[in-house]
Amino acid sequence: DAGVTQSPTHLIKTRGQQVTLRCSPISGHKSVSWYQQVLGQGPQFIFQYYEKEERGRGNFPDRFSARQFPNYSSELNVNALLLGDSALYLCASSLVGGAYSNQPQHFGDGTRLSIL
Amino acid sequence: AQTVTQSQPEMSVQEAETVTLSCTYDTSESDYYLFWYKQPPSRQMILVIRQEAYKQQNATENRFSVNFQKAAKSFSLKISDSQLGDAAMYFCAYRRGQGAQKLVFGQGTRLTINP
Repeated sequence: DAGVTQSPTHLIKTRGQQVTLRCSPISGHKSVSWYQQVLGQGPQFIFQYYEKEERGRGNFPDRFSARQFPNYSSELNVNALLLGDSALYLCASSLVGGAYSNQPQHFGDGTRLSIL
Repeated sequence: AQTVTQSQPEMSVQEAETVTLSCTYDTSESDYYLFWYKQPPSRQMILVIRQEAYKQQNATENRFSVNFQKAAKSFSLKISDSQLGDAAMYFCAYRRGQGAQKLVFGQGTRLTINP
């Protein structure tokens, strides 16, 4: 079975532009979470979506937004890009994602976003 | 807010030897999960081992085991019989037992295996 797939693998943008990153969860998984990993640091939680609803949001500005589609895939959008948005963006999926879920998260290979 | 601290930025070990990676965390919750993830240069974050806070028995997965000290809020990872393929960044992570599936990660420990 395919794991979590993310596209594109690598992306180069300039300051002020907008970007959309895509994630397809493992088949049957209904929860998707997004993380930002700046070089040399651990990942930081951005969003969690479960059953197409936002279930959690990290400490990120409103320039960051996301959505989940009926097939449980997800998009992360970042507007007005800043140099500091350069990072590896990781998507993780889990079988369920309710408040009491103990399901582990499985990660994709990430999208490397570089801002010039 | 919960925090996770990994005090060893880098560790190295001889192939076939045993190494222990340290992790401490801070939380006021009683219900939570702890994880160790491995991130090789290929970038994918791979789950190594998981511990539920309510379980007193330490988790074990083949050559990987943890030493979970709940009162001390310590969660170390022991890798036995180290192999070249174990070389990677290792991240300790915390998640509350309820609510959003938000993982809080430490800064990571880079593990080098010397042949």
